[in-house]
Amino acid sequence: EVQLVESGGGLVQPGRSLRLSCTASGFTFGDYAMSWVRQAPGKGLEWVGFIRSKGYGGTTEYAASVKGRFTISRDDSKSIAYLQMNSLKTEDTAVYYCTRAPYTVVAGTHYYYYMDVWGKGTTVTVSS
Amino acid sequence: EIVMTQSPATLSVSPGERATLSCRASQSVSSNLAWYQQKPGQAPRLLMYGASTRGTGIPARFSGSGSGTEFTLTISSLQSEDFAVYYCQQYNNWPQTFGQGTKVEIK
Repeated sequence: EVQLVESGGGLVQPGRSLRLSCTASGFTFGDYAMSWVRQAPGKGLEWVGFIRSKGYGGTTEYAASVKGRFTISRDDSKSIAYLQMNSLKTEDTAVYYCTRAPYTVVAGTHYYYYMDVWGKGTTVTVSS
Repeated sequence: EIVMTQSPATLSVSPGERATLSCRASQSVSSNLAWYQQKPGQAPRLLMYGASTRGTGIPARFSGSGSGTEFTLTISSLQSEDFAVYYCQQYNNWPQTFGQGTKVEIK
């Protein structure tokens, strides 16, 4: 069974750091890009960031709201994706979801990544 | 960034009826549009990608259409388990962006 399990959430003070983990099972983790999405209490979904597979450079993309503060990385040997969150703000309070991101290819050169498997999420509360 | 606008915000439908949800992009996203379903207290689930391709295990009563800037998700005959919030998302450009969601509720 394909599964993603997030961990590492909790209560943290503004300005502090937190690292979330996403442990994958049931598929070849290294073959896939991964994304993070968050949902503030009572709000809609917000895309946070993305990391390509090592085979496609392992490069990252971020939402403007987190760029420079959040970093996504991966450890393919452990099948884990990470979301390092620094300089946390109260507005970062949310449930954070990890997703698997397969792609479709157009013209052999353009890759488009959607999100087909989601974890159950981990809650991050930023408050003093 | 591309702004995704969903309408209506809330759709009241009786079980067995057809539901039509709309999603508009502020600029063309080609067919790189996905739909997700979210029930209270649960993670979202992929319904549709490529605007019209159903995700794994998604029933045939769900269908998607559109390209460019206008997209539609249709549920042909609403079942009790279909009452939920539905989000569209474009993945044509970075940053990827979601619509604000359409809540489908029981009439």
